[in-house]
Amino acid sequence: EAEVAQSPRYKITEKSQAVAFWCDPISGHATLYWYRQILGQGPELLVQFQDESVVDDSQLPKDRFSAERLKGVDSTLKIQPAELGDSAMYLCASSWGTSMDTQYFGPGTRLTVL
Amino acid sequence: GESVGLHLPTLSVQEGDNSIINCAYSNSASDYFIWYKQESGKGPQFIIDIRSNMDKRQGQRVTVLLNKTVKHLSLQIAATQPGDSAVYFCAEKVSQAGTALIFGKGTTLSVSS
Repeated sequence: EAEVAQSPRYKITEKSQAVAFWCDPISGHATLYWYRQILGQGPELLVQFQDESVVDDSQLPKDRFSAERLKGVDSTLKIQPAELGDSAMYLCASSWGTSMDTQYFGPGTRLTVL
Repeated sequence: GESVGLHLPTLSVQEGDNSIINCAYSNSASDYFIWYKQESGKGPQFIIDIRSNMDKRQGQRVTVLLNKTVKHLSLQIAATQPGDSAVYFCAEKVSQAGTALIFGKGTTLSVSS
């Protein structure tokens, strides 16, 4: 069964350092999402891509976060500089389209900022 | 506001019992709803979805009920097993808006044997 791949699974960094997360969606899925999940809460959307284009990044803190999906396949989410409040699970999801297509999630990257 | 919430943060049941997890949504324009299961340290796993033109949908051991009149969604799990222990999230979407899912806070289901 095809899955969304993410790496690394865990990342510990010090504040003010840069971190990057990678996501490889299910093959053929045009839409890719990055979510942030704080412990005990539901995921919240950071950015949504349709192919290589950003569809929604209204909740992305653009002063420190950036995301790209240059070839419309895999994607990278970067934080620079990391802050203590960025500690969370970062989840990637993909779907065929944007309307009622099921979103499939990867295992996530657990970020701890010290 | 436009958010999805769950009635109870935790639910404890005995193995073999039926479980019912509830969810209230506030956006009457939402027309697509999904239930996800999230085990500790893992990403959310799709369980079942339902569109607003339906009021009931069944899967393997799970049933989702949608009551648009009172904006209420529920997930029923039959013959609950220890492996069902996880956090369950409902999520809503306004499909034509092309927006992402909005998740509620989750209900932690604990199954004791």
